[in-house]
Amino acid sequence: GENVEQHPSTLSVQEGDSAVIKCTYSDSASNYFPWYKQELGKGPQLIIDIRSNVGEKKDQRIAVTLNKTAKHFSLHITETQPEDSAVYFCAARIQGAQKLVFGQGTRLTINP
Amino acid sequence: NAGVTQTPKFRILKIGQSMTLQCAQDMNHNYMYWYRQDPGMGLKLIYYSVGAGITDKGEVPNGYNVSRSTTEDFPLRLELAAPSQTSVYFCASSYLAGGGRETQYFGPGTRLLVL
Repeated sequence: GENVEQHPSTLSVQEGDSAVIKCTYSDSASNYFPWYKQELGKGPQLIIDIRSNVGEKKDQRIAVTLNKTAKHFSLHITETQPEDSAVYFCAARIQGAQKLVFGQGTRLTINP
Repeated sequence: NAGVTQTPKFRILKIGQSMTLQCAQDMNHNYMYWYRQDPGMGLKLIYYSVGAGITDKGEVPNGYNVSRSTTEDFPLRLELAAPSQTSVYFCASSYLAGGGRETQYFGPGTRLLVL
């Protein structure tokens, strides 16, 4: 089955700097890669996603890149703000499957 | 829309007790999921359902049961609670959009402590 590895497990950056979280997946049949943000005491919430036929997608300060050959994808957050502090999860879904496989999560802390 | 609702918010169980975690969604989504999240860890899929009357095991189904008699409701049953089931439980629902895109909407979670 699919396996998703996420790094780093914790990340601390200065406010205004950029943050990058990386994930690798094992099954080349995966074709959908969402990113979720989980704030303290809440359930995860989708923030951006990318399909396998696209190399990069951007939404204001966040972007996701996908390298199908290397089987890895990354989340980029620019001009970080205190409200970006949260746990971020990557996920992957194999084409035709009905479930996502999540990475282990990254705790991002933005230092003022 | 209320989205995905879960009850209770918090529960303490004694070893060997049983309970049902309730989950309901009002978005008419076909897919529903139960995850557990242990402290500092990621999400592990317990069970999922692709429609009323259809359920399937995830990666950690032992000690749990589910049913899906309606589109809206997806309860999770713990029959004999064990300390290893201490966790935060999240229910989610989704639908498959065009091109395989899927947004899972998560409930606020149920925190369960087994002593």
